[in-house]
Amino acid sequence: GEDVEQSLFLSVREGDSSVINCTYTDSSSTYLYWYKQEPGAGLQLLTYIFSNMDMKQDQRLTVLLNKKDKHLSLRIADTQTGDSAIYFCAEIFNDYKLSFGAGTTVTVRA
Amino acid sequence: GAVVSQHPSWVICKSGTSVKIECRSLDFQATTMFWYRQFPKQSLMLMATSNEGSKATYEQGVEKDKFLINHASLTLSTLTVTSAHPEDSSFYICSARRLAGVADTQYFGPGTRLTVL
Repeated sequence: GEDVEQSLFLSVREGDSSVINCTYTDSSSTYLYWYKQEPGAGLQLLTYIFSNMDMKQDQRLTVLLNKKDKHLSLRIADTQTGDSAIYFCAEIFNDYKLSFGAGTTVTVRA
Repeated sequence: GAVVSQHPSWVICKSGTSVKIECRSLDFQATTMFWYRQFPKQSLMLMATSNEGSKATYEQGVEKDKFLINHASLTLSTLTVTSAHPEDSSFYICSARRLAGVADTQYFGPGTRLTVL
């Protein structure tokens, strides 16, 4: 797969916005994804963005895509304690396989 | 979202035994499922792609005789860890590929924690 890079940790105060950044390498990726993993659980698909889009908003989540820089970000508005988890970005390679970043651990503090 | 289940959620076995893990897509048909392995505090590593009605395709470095995959129906894929050893202890997660219109997404199961003594 391709290399997907993310920062490893993010600490944010409850009520603030969280921004998680990701860089990917395959410019031909048609979709890019954000998944959330809580301790001991599988991955929950949060949102995805098609490569011909710059932005996608879904309630508290906003995804920004900069294809030129191969940069993807996830913004969580009004971060809550339930948002504490590991967030993975992923890109498609070989048409349908997913390559994941290392995951960003988000800790929400009161 | 779509629902994918795994069974069992955790299993402890003795070294040398075989363990079967089931992955089911509950509300959609999946011709393609995937098996991943995740070590503590690490990302997911794709092990193999499970194709309904045909042989699985394995990623480089994954022993196909050790990790047997069967995808006999559009809603069920199984992973059998044969002659398990302590180094096979890990968190195994499956996903099912769903194609809906132009969207191509994978939905993940809750994972199976395997501990080999």
